[in-house]
Amino acid sequence: KAGVTQTPRYLIKTRGQQVTLSCSPISGHRSVSWYQQTPGQGLQFLFEYFSETQRNKGNFPGRFSGRQFSNSRSEMNVSTLELGDSALYLCASRRTSGGESIEQFFGPGTRLTVL
Amino acid sequence: AQTVTQSQPEMSVQEAETVTLSCTYDTSESDYYLFWYKQPPSRQMILVIRQEAYKQQNATENRFSVNFQKAAKSFSLKISDSQLGDAAMYFCAYRSATPTRDDKIIFGKGTRLHILP
Repeated sequence: KAGVTQTPRYLIKTRGQQVTLSCSPISGHRSVSWYQQTPGQGLQFLFEYFSETQRNKGNFPGRFSGRQFSNSRSEMNVSTLELGDSALYLCASRRTSGGESIEQFFGPGTRLTVL
Repeated sequence: AQTVTQSQPEMSVQEAETVTLSCTYDTSESDYYLFWYKQPPSRQMILVIRQEAYKQQNATENRFSVNFQKAAKSFSLKISDSQLGDAAMYFCAYRSATPTRDDKIIFGKGTRLHILP
């Protein structure tokens, strides 16, 4: 079974631009969570989607948004990019049918650099 | 709010030796899960081991084992017979087991483990 995939793997943008990152969960997984990883703040929870609905949101400004499609694929969008948005963005999926799964499976991440 | 603390930013261990990574956490909940994740230089986060808070027995996965002290809110990871492939950033993490709670995982800052040949 294929793992969690994220595209693109690397991205370079300039301040003020917007960016969209994509995540395809493991087949059958309906929960998708996003995390931001930076050297200073570590791993921080952004939001979680389940059945196309945002179920929970971390403490990030409204410039960070996301959505989930009917096939469980998810996208996150960051508008008006700032230098501090440079980070590794990780996506994780979890099985939620046929018995709740405790474990989240992570993708390889998208490395975003804002110049 | 729950917090996870890893007090050792970096550690080194000789190949084939044993090393213990420390983690403490704070929560008012009684039912939760604790995890150790490994993030090698390739960046793919991998689950190493997990512990359910209601279980008294410490979890073990091959060379990896934990020392779970619920009263002390301590959750350390022991790696036996360290191998070069164990070199990575290790994250301790917490997740609530309460059904109505959200799905987020709270991570510690990580411990970078170096394996010396």
